[in-house]
Amino acid sequence: QQQVKQSPQSLIVQKGGISIINCAYENTAFDYFPWYQQFPGKGPALLIAIRPDVSEKKEGRFTISFNKSAKQFSLHIMDSQPGDSATYFCAASLYYGGSQGNLIFGKGTKLSVKP
Amino acid sequence: NAGVTQTPKFRVLKTGQSMTLLCAQDMNHEYMYWYRQDPGMGLRLIHYSVGEGTTAKGEVPDGYNVSRLKKQNFLLGLESAAPSQTSVYFCASRRNRGLLEQYFGPGTRLTVT
Repeated sequence: QQQVKQSPQSLIVQKGGISIINCAYENTAFDYFPWYQQFPGKGPALLIAIRPDVSEKKEGRFTISFNKSAKQFSLHIMDSQPGDSATYFCAASLYYGGSQGNLIFGKGTKLSVKP
Repeated sequence: NAGVTQTPKFRVLKTGQSMTLLCAQDMNHEYMYWYRQDPGMGLRLIHYSVGEGTTAKGEVPDGYNVSRLKKQNFLLGLESAAPSQTSVYFCASRRNRGLLEQYFGPGTRLTVT
């Protein structure tokens, strides 16, 4: 019930293409879904997050799509650039859960954008 | 602001040795976390703290101990290191209300031989 399943494990995209990473969760109580970006040798950093009151959130070239009935959410990176090459983690938690608001992370997707 | 800092950056231990990893944050955050990151396993929560003097177990707490004597510091201890504890360790912190964004440190790469 606490798992977040992320796919694919790795992704290679040409510069200018669209990168799509998918996640599925099991706990229907989750109501906060962030994506973290991690560059080699660095700690993860929050990229974008969504709550289930909206089906889509866009920030620049990055968009989260959320499907509550399917318990799935995805990250779309439009016009992918070599600088986007990183590992991306999806996560889920309870927004107002206090100490239960701990993030459950997916296993990560390593994105490589080829020039 | 330095954000979240971790000491040391790298360490090599022999099996059975002990060590302490230090995490410090200057954002006055209430919550602090220790994660380990292994290839293909994502980020797994070891222990966390919701405030000074309090700690709680996460998903993979065995073989680790923690202490939060000061609000800004969170220590992770390995009493008797094992090769299975070879990993990259990340500390993170966040506020106790409002945005749930966790701020991560740069990591400590630990090798146990």
